Amino acid sequence: GAVVSQHPSRVICKSGTSVKIECRSLDFQATTMFWYRQFPKKSLMLMATSNEGSKATYEQGVEKDKFLINHASLTLSTLTVTSAHPEDSSFYICSAWRLFYGYTFGSGTRLTVV
Amino acid sequence: GEDVEQSLFLSVREGDSSVINCTYTDSSSTYLYWYKQEPGAGLQLLTYIFSNMDMKQDQRLTVLLNKKDKHLSLRIADTQTGDSAIYFCAESALSSGSARQLTFGSGTQLTVLP
Repeated sequence: GAVVSQHPSRVICKSGTSVKIECRSLDFQATTMFWYRQFPKKSLMLMATSNEGSKATYEQGVEKDKFLINHASLTLSTLTVTSAHPEDSSFYICSAWRLFYGYTFGSGTRLTVV
Repeated sequence: GEDVEQSLFLSVREGDSSVINCTYTDSSSTYLYWYKQEPGAGLQLLTYIFSNMDMKQDQRLTVLLNKKDKHLSLRIADTQTGDSAIYFCAESALSSGSARQLTFGSGTQLTVLP
């Protein structure tokens, strides 16, 4: 079946630094990548949608300059949290989509900003 | 906009059946999904149902769809302690073969008691 690899699974960084999260589709080419944020005991909140080679479409209230999304190839999308602050601490999950493959989720990244 | 609702908690005894319910509002929903999330992990697709189906069974899982009432349920037969997790229902619609975002419910925390 379709597999999406998300790295790192856990990261702790200092306030003010930037963190990059990678999402790779291992055995298929993803037409669209979705990035979600999940707060403790809450549902998934869509942050942005990106299509390969295009600029990401951000949901209302998500700062595009803070959460940089790059989808340079059909198998790789990255989310960079710039100038991270403690309130950015959260669980981030990517999802890759391709017609007939459906949605495949990464295993998530736990970000802690100290 | 679209809305998907679930009850937050469900407790059952090991060996009993679990029924998790979900309601949605978007009448253009094409696919309805059930995902399982264990602590600190990503989402695992359990099953999905196409909107022109009423029922789908896959081993211990049975999905029922009442399109008129926009009600979806997931029944887990012979529930085991390993089934303890958060279960999310989600809906999406296809648009000209391209991805549309998934809209998630709030998640139901299933606790299986020994």
